[in-house]
Amino acid sequence: DIQMTQSPSSLSASVGDRVTITCRASQSISNYLSWYQQKPGTAPKLLIYAASSLQSGVPSRFSGSGSGTDFTLTISSLQPEDFATYYCQQSYSVFRTFGQGTKVEVK
Amino acid sequence: EVQLAESGGGLVQPGGSLRLSCVGSGFTFRSYDMNWVRQAPGKGLEWISYITSSGNTMYYADSVKGRFTISRDNDKDALYLQMNDLRAEDTALYYCARVFLTTSAVLTDDYWGQGTLVTVSP
Repeated sequence: DIQMTQSPSSLSASVGDRVTITCRASQSISNYLSWYQQKPGTAPKLLIYAASSLQSGVPSRFSGSGSGTDFTLTISSLQPEDFATYYCQQSYSVFRTFGQGTKVEVK
Repeated sequence: EVQLAESGGGLVQPGGSLRLSCVGSGFTFRSYDMNWVRQAPGKGLEWISYITSSGNTMYYADSVKGRFTISRDNDKDALYLQMNDLRAEDTALYYCARVFLTTSAVLTDDYWGQGTLVTVSP
């Protein structure tokens, strides 16, 4: 199975901060990488697909980059509604795997 | 509007069985592959099963292989997960998710249901 490792597991930030979350795959997955946001009590929401494509309706402060094994999710200016947990997911293999999640908390 | 609605969760004893359902609306259900993903309380997301649009091919995570069966009825716009020999570690919120083939030919899971809770306890 392809292992996905996210870092950090949690971070504290303030409104307006630039936030970066990284995700590393145990083997090359090309650009088969998605990012999801999950708030307590709700289902995951797709933010980014194909490593860098913004899902329709997602604010442009979210961006993704990377290819191969190393990927990044960036929030350019953190907003109050962005405090949540973020997951990366590979779809290179039909046996999907997720990163362990990164919780973005209020500083 | 695309919607997915899971049902069928509940409390079951270890070794018991449960059948989850996921009904899709607002899209042509038979045209999309589907996934089941679960989330144990306070934990991360775990993919458990995938089925192609025709229902002819299925895949399972090792943690559920041989115990869970994914299926679908495209005439009813429904996805199912038959869960047998349930264990305490199967306690989780179970989500169905639609598989979308993007314009860049990369698969992603673009719509998710709200989940149905399965609790395995004596």
